[in-house]
Amino acid sequence: QVQLQESGPGLVKPSQTLSLTCSVSGGSISSGSDYWSWIRQPAGKGLEWIGRIYTSESTNYNPSLKSRVTISVDTSKNQFSLKLSSVTAADTAVYYCAREVGLALAFDIWGRGTKVTVSS
Amino acid sequence: QSALTQPPSASGSPGQSATISCTGTSSDVGGYSYVSWYQQHPGKAPKLMIYEVSKRPSGVPDRFSGSKSGNTASLTVSGLQTEDEADYYCTSYAGSNNPVVFGGGTKLTVL
Repeated sequence: QVQLQESGPGLVKPSQTLSLTCSVSGGSISSGSDYWSWIRQPAGKGLEWIGRIYTSESTNYNPSLKSRVTISVDTSKNQFSLKLSSVTAADTAVYYCAREVGLALAFDIWGRGTKVTVSS
Repeated sequence: QSALTQPPSASGSPGQSATISCTGTSSDVGGYSYVSWYQQHPGKAPKLMIYEVSKRPSGVPDRFSGSKSGNTASLTVSGLQTEDEADYYCTSYAGSNNPVVFGGGTKLTVL
């Protein structure tokens, strides 16, 4: 059973870069045709897709965040990561990593989420 | 502003049915059969309930069903139970430039 776990700082200062890692257990991040995504949710608000990476290191990003987002993969550690630069208070949210089944384009496995607050 | 439009709230009594709509455009919902629905309880991660418009993952009760007509997808929950009370989100594939779009979410209340 594949499981995902987010990790990273819970507090980031404005203008700095938010960095999170998603560790994949119970399966290989390199197998199959799946995408590995980041999704966030500000408190009391809806879900926002940030971007995704394919095992070939091909990426897609939300156009509204594209200029600030980088998603990368480390197959040796079975992890993928998110970097979001020049953060502001508007980036405060719970950040989820998720597996998107390539053939169905649906997020079937989610991490528990990690809360990131942007504040000085 | 979300790319897909959902009603903020929906409700039904135990045992009855409730339907949640998800309206997009011909560039997303109407153009592809990749609509999925997620259930989210407070403080929890979302859970996949429906994928490819109407397919149910293993373990999801058959009380949950999905459909699509034109640019609008729908999630119907039949035989409502108290544990169905949650937020529900739809997503759709929207092309290679912006592959994933979410709806704003609907809070389902079981009265």
